[in-house]
Amino acid sequence: GAVVSQHPSWVICKSGTSVKIECRSLDFQATTMFWYRQFPKQSLMLMATSNEGSKATYEQGVEKDKFLINHASLTLSTLTVTSAHPEDSSFYICSARRPGGELFFGEGSRLTVL
Amino acid sequence: AQTVTQSQPEMSVQEAETVTLSCTYDTSESDYYLFWYKQPPSRQMILVIRQEAYKQQNATENRFSVNFQKAAKSFSLKISDSQLGDAAMYFCAYRSAMSGNTPLVFGKGTRLSVIA
Repeated sequence: GAVVSQHPSWVICKSGTSVKIECRSLDFQATTMFWYRQFPKQSLMLMATSNEGSKATYEQGVEKDKFLINHASLTLSTLTVTSAHPEDSSFYICSARRPGGELFFGEGSRLTVL
Repeated sequence: AQTVTQSQPEMSVQEAETVTLSCTYDTSESDYYLFWYKQPPSRQMILVIRQEAYKQQNATENRFSVNFQKAAKSFSLKISDSQLGDAAMYFCAYRSAMSGNTPLVFGKGTRLSVIA
């Protein structure tokens, strides 16, 4: 079964609203999680590295005030898309590495902003 | 910065045949990991195979094998006895071994079609 779970798997929202996506590691503690964004028929682009207990590290070009990342516990990271607009519509994927082991991906969250 | 290049946007293979997907990468590091991930229509990323750069032996997982050429910075994936379920996007990925929590860097992907 999945060891990294994302919720919701899909969400539709109105322009201007905020949307929160959760990423949970189910059976291990992850001090670091990664958030990726994937546009249709394109590759995964790293948005930010989420660090437990500290601020996220954002990739160049990613607006930290737009995409709020919180890593409140060793098993949960959240990505909040604030004041979402249609251009924010995308597939968002998180990943986390089991200590000393394999990297697991969440199932992904499809965001559609109307 | 490391980059990963997949020069084949699309490939097709006849069922039961063999296909090779290409991947090259650029790095100045000597210790790293390379991966091939499969992304079916469900969009769930599935690890196909991984290779540690310090290992000379090519990794193999059942019908999947790689041809790792460190000097050439090449990491191709060979799928033998292709099955309909192999149809998916395949991403080559690189990860630095400098620390335990470096992110994956992905190529642009190759869409593989399997013809019955």
